[in-house]
Amino acid sequence: KQEVTQIPAALSVPEGENLVLNCSFTDSAIYNLQWFRQDPGKGLTSLLLIQSSQREQTSGRLNASLDKSSGRSTLYIAASQPGDSATYLCAVSTSGTYKYIFGTGTRLKVLA
Amino acid sequence: DAGVIQSPRHEVTEMGQEVTLRCKPISGHNSLFWYRQTMMRGLELLIYFNNNVPIDDSGMPEDRFSAKMPNASFSTLKIQPSEPRDSAVYFCASSFTGYSEAFFGQGTRLTVV
Repeated sequence: KQEVTQIPAALSVPEGENLVLNCSFTDSAIYNLQWFRQDPGKGLTSLLLIQSSQREQTSGRLNASLDKSSGRSTLYIAASQPGDSATYLCAVSTSGTYKYIFGTGTRLKVLA
Repeated sequence: DAGVIQSPRHEVTEMGQEVTLRCKPISGHNSLFWYRQTMMRGLELLIYFNNNVPIDDSGMPEDRFSAKMPNASFSTLKIQPSEPRDSAVYFCASSFTGYSEAFFGQGTRLTVV
């Protein structure tokens, strides 16, 4: 059974810092991994999708990497801004299923 | 495209009443998902449709929950009768295929009193 863990659960950093959010999964037979952002009281916004054959994806100040063999993904945020404050969720779809299994998220606060 | 559209955004109902949540997926997307989010359990997949057909409903908590997708542009999630423990945010998501990028609606916050 796929389990997805995100560490840390919460993070508070000053504006301008580069930071890394971690996502671990127990079953390496994944089809893809997706990072989402969720603002309070809002839906989920897709940030990056990494297919199992890919090592990383980049969008603006965001870079996500995937290491299937070790069951890990990281989301790197460069030059953090107060507007980056949100909960970040990773979700993994396991090969042979259509289910995205979500981690519990990292709540990020960027201080001005 | 306006994205995935859910209605209502908020619903407050009394225990025992029927509740119907609605979802309009992104046009052209073949896959539709219903999720439930709570503080205790996080995001859980309730049911997955592909080409309007329910493929996996193993996440539906019990017979009080039912979901339909009568056509490619509309889906409903019904709870009858509702109970206080059903209180949660219910999200609908759609994707081009079951394995591609998923797009979420804004959610319906359900409160059963």
